[in-house]
Amino acid sequence: GESVGLHLPTLSVQEGDNSIINCAYSNSASDYFIWYKQESGKGPQFIIDIRSNMDKRQGQRVTVLLNKTVKHLSLQIAATQPGDSAVYFCADTVSSGSARQLTFGSGTQLTVLP
Amino acid sequence: DAGITQSPRHKVTETGTPVTLRCHQTENHRYMYWYRQDPGHGLRLIHYSYGVKDTDKGEVSDGYSVSRSKTEDFLLTLESATSSQTSVYFCAISRQGATDTQYFGPGTRLTVL
Repeated sequence: GESVGLHLPTLSVQEGDNSIINCAYSNSASDYFIWYKQESGKGPQFIIDIRSNMDKRQGQRVTVLLNKTVKHLSLQIAATQPGDSAVYFCADTVSSGSARQLTFGSGTQLTVLP
Repeated sequence: DAGITQSPRHKVTETGTPVTLRCHQTENHRYMYWYRQDPGHGLRLIHYSYGVKDTDKGEVSDGYSVSRSKTEDFLLTLESATSSQTSVYFCAISRQGATDTQYFGPGTRLTVL
């Protein structure tokens, strides 16, 4: 089946630095991609999404880049803060069928160092 | 958590017993989902619903059943719990299944002894 994977399971960055979390997907038909943040003991929280007709989308301190040629997306967090420490998941899906079935990666643990 | 509650939040049960988890939403969203989260596997879809009494299977549906008799409630039942079903279960909702973001509840930690 199709799968979404992450290049690195853990990432440590200094507070104030920028973070980049990478994700690869395998389904060339995927047309919607989402990044979630999950803090310990909580449910995943939506961060930002991007559709396949875009290459880049910016939010507050976050940017998602999509490279359809190599089936890769990344999440960039500017000026990383201690509150950004969490597990980050990417997910992809195909906009078809009666419900969106997201395929999640296994997650990257981001640790922000003081 | 986008108006989503899950109950119970924690449960310990024994192998072979039935277990029902409840997801309740106040957003009147059409789509509801049940996922399980295990170390090394991320989130995997168990079942989903696209309306009252309309449900379908996900990736890991064996051993689970669901019911949705009201828009706001989506129940997940383990007919006979097994140790392999020890996991954290998340409910999610969305307005439109194919074109909308899913929002997750706080999760239920289930331990089957």
